[in-house]
Amino acid sequence: AQSVAQPEDQVNVAEGNPLTVKCTYSVSGNPYLFWYVQYPNRGLQFLLKYITGDNLVKGSYGFEAEFNKSQTSFHLKKPSALVSDSALYFCAVRGSSNTGKLIFGQGTTLQVKP
Amino acid sequence: NAGVTQTPKFRILKIGQSMTLQCAQDMNHNYMYWYRQDPGMGLKLIYYSVGAGITDKGEVPNGYNVSRSTTEDFPLRLELAAPSQTSVYFCASSPVAASQNTGELFFGEGSRLTVL
Repeated sequence: AQSVAQPEDQVNVAEGNPLTVKCTYSVSGNPYLFWYVQYPNRGLQFLLKYITGDNLVKGSYGFEAEFNKSQTSFHLKKPSALVSDSALYFCAVRGSSNTGKLIFGQGTTLQVKP
Repeated sequence: NAGVTQTPKFRILKIGQSMTLQCAQDMNHNYMYWYRQDPGMGLKLIYYSVGAGITDKGEVPNGYNVSRSTTEDFPLRLELAAPSQTSVYFCASSPVAASQNTGELFFGEGSRLTVL
């Protein structure tokens, strides 16, 4: 069965410092991986995806993610955090059937302090 | 461009009451989904639909029903509300063709339901 895990409930980082939000996955076959962000009282917004190709994927708002097949990881990164990046981040993997269903991790709260 | 619209945004129900959460999208997406979000649990799929007239169960369908009479609308019905259904509910949609179906979902802003 497909699954994703986000090992950290919360990540704290100072503004201007690099940030990493971790995600590991378990899939059969080639993984389709995603990151979404949720701001308070809002729906989820798509950040980036890995389907195939380069292991470093660039997305919205300066975020990027690194796909590592040997470690089955898809960590979200940003070189310089902003206070406005503070939000809830979800990693997701596409389900095995071609119905677009996504399986989400439990979420990681990112807190960026000035 | 409205995207995915959910109503109501907030609702309080008594145990045993029934209600329908409405979801409409104006992007002509065939695929639509209902998720519930509970703290520390991520999002769990309740029901989904791959087109008008076609629905299927997700991970946590018990206590819910759906219908998909049109491409635009995908209402979620709670027949006998229970405290365990207190949650935030999100509707989402994704594009039509399999070649476009790379998994990017477009979410509504959520409906917060409390059952007392």
